Amino acid sequence: AQTVTQSQPEMSVQEAETVTLSCTYDTSESDYYLFWYKQPPSRQMILVIRQEAYKQQNATENRFSVNFQKAAKSFSLKISDSQLGDAAMYFCASTDGSQGNLIFGKGTKLSVKP
Amino acid sequence: EAEVAQSPRYKITEKSQAVAFWCDPISGHATLYWYRQILGQGPELLVQFQDESVVDDSQLPKDRFSAERLKGVDSTLKIQPAELGDSAMYLCASSLYDRGTDTQYFGPGTRLTVL
Repeated sequence: AQTVTQSQPEMSVQEAETVTLSCTYDTSESDYYLFWYKQPPSRQMILVIRQEAYKQQNATENRFSVNFQKAAKSFSLKISDSQLGDAAMYFCASTDGSQGNLIFGKGTKLSVKP
Repeated sequence: EAEVAQSPRYKITEKSQAVAFWCDPISGHATLYWYRQILGQGPELLVQFQDESVVDDSQLPKDRFSAERLKGVDSTLKIQPAELGDSAMYLCASSLYDRGTDTQYFGPGTRLTVL
């Protein structure tokens, strides 16, 4: 069965600093997509960034970027210039093949210190 | 900006009672998902609809859970009877289609507490 593992239950970063959240996955599929979702306290989950597995180039969205290592099945999220509003649960997710079903990790709770 | 609507936001019930959750996806989204998120865990898929058809309900406990999307628009998830272990957040999400490229948009969720 496909699995997504986030090994850091909690992380903390100083405002304006950089933090990296780790994620590994296990799939036998050749075509799949990887995501990072953010879930702020008592608010809905929103997409942060997406990576197509067939693309070698790492995805970037403003202050958010990923380090996608396909051979190692690793997909880490880097947040630069951290802001107080970045405090949230972050979930790594993978599609179950080329279709839309998402397999989520257990999440990493990110705290941002002023 | 269009959003996925869910109601109620909170539900407290006693075990053995029936509960129902409602979801209205973003207009035009053909694919609708119901996830269950236990506290401290990531969401897990319960059921996926493509229009009005169920395409994946392999993780849905069918002895007590049911889901429908009669007209291919809004959807209802029902639990009967509720058990203590059903306490969780129930999330609805929708996407344009069910391709991996299609972003899933999540609603605010229904937090269920079973006493």
